[in-house]
Amino acid sequence: GAVVSQHPSRVICKSGTSVKIECRSLDFQATTMFWYRQFPKQSLMLMATSNEGSKATYEQGVEKDKFLINHASLTLSTLTVTSAHPEDSSFYICSARGMSDEQFFGPGTRLTVL
Amino acid sequence: QKEVEQNSGPLSVPEGAIASLNCTYSDRGSQSFFWYRQYSGKSPELIMSIYSNGDKEDGRFTAQLNKASQYVSLLIRDSQPSDSATYLCAVGGNQGGKLIFGQGTELSVKP
Repeated sequence: GAVVSQHPSRVICKSGTSVKIECRSLDFQATTMFWYRQFPKQSLMLMATSNEGSKATYEQGVEKDKFLINHASLTLSTLTVTSAHPEDSSFYICSARGMSDEQFFGPGTRLTVL
Repeated sequence: QKEVEQNSGPLSVPEGAIASLNCTYSDRGSQSFFWYRQYSGKSPELIMSIYSNGDKEDGRFTAQLNKASQYVSLLIRDSQPSDSATYLCAVGGNQGGKLIFGQGTELSVKP
């Protein structure tokens, strides 16, 4: 399957700071990437759909000014959590869409906000 | 009403047995169906995709799709303890590229 990388894998930050997470498709070009978050023992929650060269589409209830998404190239999408607070602590996972609707997931970023 | 439903489990099977995981979906326009495996603390990994009615086999895994019944299943033959994970059913094709995920079924394979 296709390879998607995510960086960093783990980040601990102080409340009020911003954190940027990078998602890269390593061996294919992804016109569409997705950002999810997952709390312990819960299923994936789609946050937004990111299309190369256009504004991200956010799911209902997700604050677009808090979770800034940029998809500047066919292989890179970034998620910036602005002014992070402890309730933003979660497992953030990106995925890249393949040719037949399948999604290939990155390894995830575990964010802890103190 | 949930759009993709799975039994949450846990489903416990002995080593060597067949594990059967089931999923139903509500959108008749769905075109693509996927099974992901997620180990605790890790991200999901795609293990099977199926797009047409019938069975699709890949090693120890068989995916079955019945669009008339809006039902998709995953069979794992000769289950191993390393198969212990949460299995996510995902459905797509009518959501602008988005996949709708079920809550996942936790599988435990006992040695």
